[in-house]
Amino acid sequence: DVKVTQSSRYLVKRTGEKVFLECVQDMDHENMFWYRQDPGLGLRLIYFSYDVKMKEKGDIPEGYSVSREKKERFSLILESASTNQTSMYLCASSFMGQGAFFGQGTRLTVV
Amino acid sequence: GNSVTQMEGPVTLSEEAFLTINCTYTATGYPSLFWYVQYPGEGLQLLLKATKADDKGSNKGFEATYRKETTSFHLEKGSVQVSDSAVYFCTFSHGSSNTGKLIFGQGTTLQVKP
Repeated sequence: DVKVTQSSRYLVKRTGEKVFLECVQDMDHENMFWYRQDPGLGLRLIYFSYDVKMKEKGDIPEGYSVSREKKERFSLILESASTNQTSMYLCASSFMGQGAFFGQGTRLTVV
Repeated sequence: GNSVTQMEGPVTLSEEAFLTINCTYTATGYPSLFWYVQYPGEGLQLLLKATKADDKGSNKGFEATYRKETTSFHLEKGSVQVSDSAVYFCTFSHGSSNTGKLIFGQGTTLQVKP
């Protein structure tokens, strides 16, 4: 089975901090994604990566950046956390459009 | 633009009732269609998929048929259980066929009561 692992289930950070959310997949998938999930808004794509060092903005990239130095790891970076970035963050990976496999999610609270 | 519309929840059913969650999509080309399920406190799991018109995806008693003429992918189950209580997301992939980038509906919460 594909395993997508996010480094933290719960995270509390202060406004202005730089925050790193890490995601690792073990199936050699080319594509990796970061979504955020908010009540009433469903899932919205922040960034995705289709290869090492390659990235593309999603629907809501403002305030975020990403890093993909190795194929299995995709990091989401909040340069200066703000309270409106309090959310559930979900990482996913996929191969050849065969649907995406998700991690368990990181619930981030910015205070 | 590309979008997914799901029926609003919550949907509340008694155990063994018949379930339908409606989903329609707007997309160019021939997207692959998926249903995902999210149990409380967990990430999303792929429930079933269909990659071309008239395909039927099925898993764990759930079914959905890719209807290109009505751009729909309704989720059905003949007899729901309390353990089916979760949020269900209808999605499709768009853009280049091998990116796996997904467009999500807002999700439908299902509550099954004993």
